[in-house]
Amino acid sequence: QQQVRQSPQSLTVWEGETTILNCSYEDSTFDYFPWYRQFPGKSPALLIAISLVSNKKEDGRFTIFFNKREKKLSLHITDSQPGDSATYFCAASVIMGYKLTFGTGTSLLVDP
Amino acid sequence: EAGVTQSPRYAVLQEGQAVSFWCDPISGHDTLYWYQQPRDQGPQLLVYFRDEAVIDNSQLPSDRFSAVRPKGTNSTLKIQSAKQGDTATYLCASSSLGGLNYAEQFFGPGTRLTVL
Repeated sequence: QQQVRQSPQSLTVWEGETTILNCSYEDSTFDYFPWYRQFPGKSPALLIAISLVSNKKEDGRFTIFFNKREKKLSLHITDSQPGDSATYFCAASVIMGYKLTFGTGTSLLVDP
Repeated sequence: EAGVTQSPRYAVLQEGQAVSFWCDPISGHDTLYWYQQPRDQGPQLLVYFRDEAVIDNSQLPSDRFSAVRPKGTNSTLKIQSAKQGDTATYLCASSSLGGLNYAEQFFGPGTRLTVL
């Protein structure tokens, strides 16, 4: 049973466009939602995170929107750049970020 | 500050062989995690430790996998009698709460295992 789902599986956008990556979850006890970015051949690294107390979290060109009632999140990347090409994982945790459940990821390609 | 280090970086085995992976977490991080990441999938938690204690190993295939962190610093993950289905990248991560509300996990470079 996949507790954290992501869509689309892969996505191609043009440079300068806004990218939207979707994530949904089932477990109501999840309270912390980090997004990790993984470049090819590299390990995942934390990009941005949100907790239940917030509806929105911004960091530069990256924004998380959180709909708690529907258990859905989205990661928006404005002014997408070729350097943003990577796989993006949505994750969820019950206890202060310790036990993370990862989604299957969205592979993003930004064409120049 | 040095990041999480892992060795070896690559391993190729025949089915039935054993292999060990080693992880050195970031200095001062009390929590250490082992993940399995099959190709084109997200990382899946196998086991995690706080200091030397196992906190959760519910996803570790106990018949063939074992993990230890005897002094609460470095850790070893071992696979006895590897199977082709074990082919994946094995990631080690570490974290420390350090006064924050949530513990950011820092990942090592991983060990890419191929079982033939």
